[in-house]
Amino acid sequence: AQSVTQLDSHVSVSEGTPVLLRCNYSSSYSPSLFWYVQHPNKGLQLLLKYTSAATLVKGINGFEAEFKKSETSFHLTKPSAHMSDAAEYFCVVNLSGGYQKVTFGTGTKLQVIP
Amino acid sequence: GAVVSQHPSRVICKSGTSVKIECRSLDFQATTMFWYRQFPKQSLMLMATSNEGSKATYEQGVEKDKFLINHASLTLSTLTVTSAHPEDSSFYICSAGALWASGGESSYNEQFFGPGTRLTVL
Repeated sequence: AQSVTQLDSHVSVSEGTPVLLRCNYSSSYSPSLFWYVQHPNKGLQLLLKYTSAATLVKGINGFEAEFKKSETSFHLTKPSAHMSDAAEYFCVVNLSGGYQKVTFGTGTKLQVIP
Repeated sequence: GAVVSQHPSRVICKSGTSVKIECRSLDFQATTMFWYRQFPKQSLMLMATSNEGSKATYEQGVEKDKFLINHASLTLSTLTVTSAHPEDSSFYICSAGALWASGGESSYNEQFFGPGTRLTVL
């Protein structure tokens, strides 16, 4: 079975300060991991993905995440928050190979304070 | 990247009517599509997995007679909410699964999400 835990339901940062959104996963097999962002009343946008290549993954809009197998974590970071980053962020885990079903985290709402 | 479209993006209907939502993979063939439901301020909840040419697999607690899924081709899946009621009002999102090769490593699955359909039942 696979599961994903987003430790913070809500994160608030000041504009220009670093962002850290935490994600821990549980998987019996080698997983693929994704981060998606969802702005209000919008669909999902892929930020970045880990697919067993480089453990440090760079995504769009300055976001990056590091896969740490020993800690079963895939935390999302950004050096400097922008007002447009305010949104809901979802960490998603998927088993590799032929299994297609994914598991969503509960989401983290990022608030950026001017 | 792969593109998935949904139609309509927004629909308002009267209680008791049926609503059909289409999900299309525009530039790739998807043997498997997924339907999710998202309530306000909550995460996505998988409703069913739709395989082309076969019956959909529903998650526990999802009424298959209420949420009819048809996956007639490799690029189209439809979700029909039958006899809709106000409690069915939600954001419905589909995704299409694809298997990719990862630069010499083992293959991995990725789902490409549609933009969602906002259903409001009056």
